[in-house]
Amino acid sequence: GENVEQHPSTLSVQEGDSAVIKCTYSDSASNYFPWYKQELGKRPQLIIDIRSNVGEKKDQRIAVTLNKTAKHFSLHITETQPEDSAVYFCAASKGSGYSTLTFGKGTMLLVSP
Amino acid sequence: DVKVTQSSRYLVKRTGEKVFLECVQDMDHENMFWYRQDPGLGLRLIYFSYDVKMKEKGDIPEGYSVSREKKERFSLILESASTNQTSMYLCASRTGTGANIQYFGAGTRLSVL
Repeated sequence: GENVEQHPSTLSVQEGDSAVIKCTYSDSASNYFPWYKQELGKRPQLIIDIRSNVGEKKDQRIAVTLNKTAKHFSLHITETQPEDSAVYFCAASKGSGYSTLTFGKGTMLLVSP
Repeated sequence: DVKVTQSSRYLVKRTGEKVFLECVQDMDHENMFWYRQDPGLGLRLIYFSYDVKMKEKGDIPEGYSVSREKKERFSLILESASTNQTSMYLCASRTGTGANIQYFGAGTRLSVL
């Protein structure tokens, strides 16, 4: 089955810095890669996703890049703010109606003012 | 707005008890999922269901069972709770077509003493 590795497990940055979280996947048939953000005590929520037919997607201060050849994808957060502090999970799936998501182990991002 | 509701936020049970965790979604989603979340291990899939009365094992089904008698409700059952099942349990749902976007409940923190 699919295996998703996520690094780093913790990341501390100063407000205004950029943060990058990286994931690799094992199944070359995976074609959908979402990122979820889980604030302390809250439920995970989708923040951005990318499909295998594009290499990059951007939404304001967050962007995701995908390298299908190397089977890795990354989340980039620019101009970080304290409210970006959370646990971020990457995931991979084959994207069909009956597919499941395989999650990475998560990255705890701490943004210090 | 999609609403996924888990019946309890916190639950304390004794070893050997039968435990029911309930999840209800209001968006007529076909697919529903139960995850277990432990620090450093991310979100691990226990069971999922494509439709009423259908169930599939996830990555860590041992010690658990599920029930889906109605489309909107997906129950996780611990037949005989053990201390190693102390964890946060998250329910999620998604539509059976289109993007694999999962909507999560707020979670049930279960302690087995």
